Amino acid sequence: DIQMTQSPSSVSASVGDRVTITCRASQDISSWLAWYQQKPGKAPKLLIYAASSLQSGVPSRFSGSGSGTDFTLTISSLQPEDFATYYCQQADSFPPVFGPGTKVDFK
Amino acid sequence: QVQLQESGPGLVKASQTLSLTCTVSGGSISSESYYWSWIRQPAGKGLEWIGRIYSTGSPTTYNPSLQSRVAISVDTSKNQFSLRLSSVTAADTAVYYCARVPRSPEHCSSTSCYTFDSWGQGTLVTVSS
Repeated sequence: DIQMTQSPSSVSASVGDRVTITCRASQDISSWLAWYQQKPGKAPKLLIYAASSLQSGVPSRFSGSGSGTDFTLTISSLQPEDFATYYCQQADSFPPVFGPGTKVDFK
Repeated sequence: QVQLQESGPGLVKASQTLSLTCTVSGGSISSESYYWSWIRQPAGKGLEWIGRIYSTGSPTTYNPSLQSRVAISVDTSKNQFSLRLSSVTAADTAVYYCARVPRSPEHCSSTSCYTFDSWGQGTLVTVSS
């Protein structure tokens, strides 16, 4: 299986901050990476697919980049509703695997 | 807008079979545009993909780590798909989610489709001894 890692595991930030989360795959997955946001007690929500495509309805402050093995999720200006845990997921090959998550909390 | 809703027992005894159903509303499970999937999440931990089914019932693919114990089926007449996980242990205690998987080119690699664009709210299943 492809292994996924994320860094940092947690980040403390303030409203208005630019936040960047990194995801790394154990082998080349081209651009087949998705990012999800999960709030406590809720289901994950798809933010970004194919590394950089914004899911319909997701605010434009979210962006994704990268290809191959290294990817980033950027929140350009953190809003109060963005405090959550973010997961990356490789969508290139069987079986799909999620990263361990990055928690974004209040500084 | 499609909605997915999980249902089933919240408590299952160890060694027995966990059974859950996902009801799809706002869209047809028979659509050629989607696969349907199960994913689980133990409390405080990460997400684990369980398996996926197409509306015709084939192909069905399972996580190798669970393949010997899992079965996913579909009932198009009820717009539902279901999960059965046998011989459960405490390690199977988790929130179980059903999810939709688009089959469009922008969501699929050259070999398969594994992007989850809509999710149910999740249901907690506890395995008791």
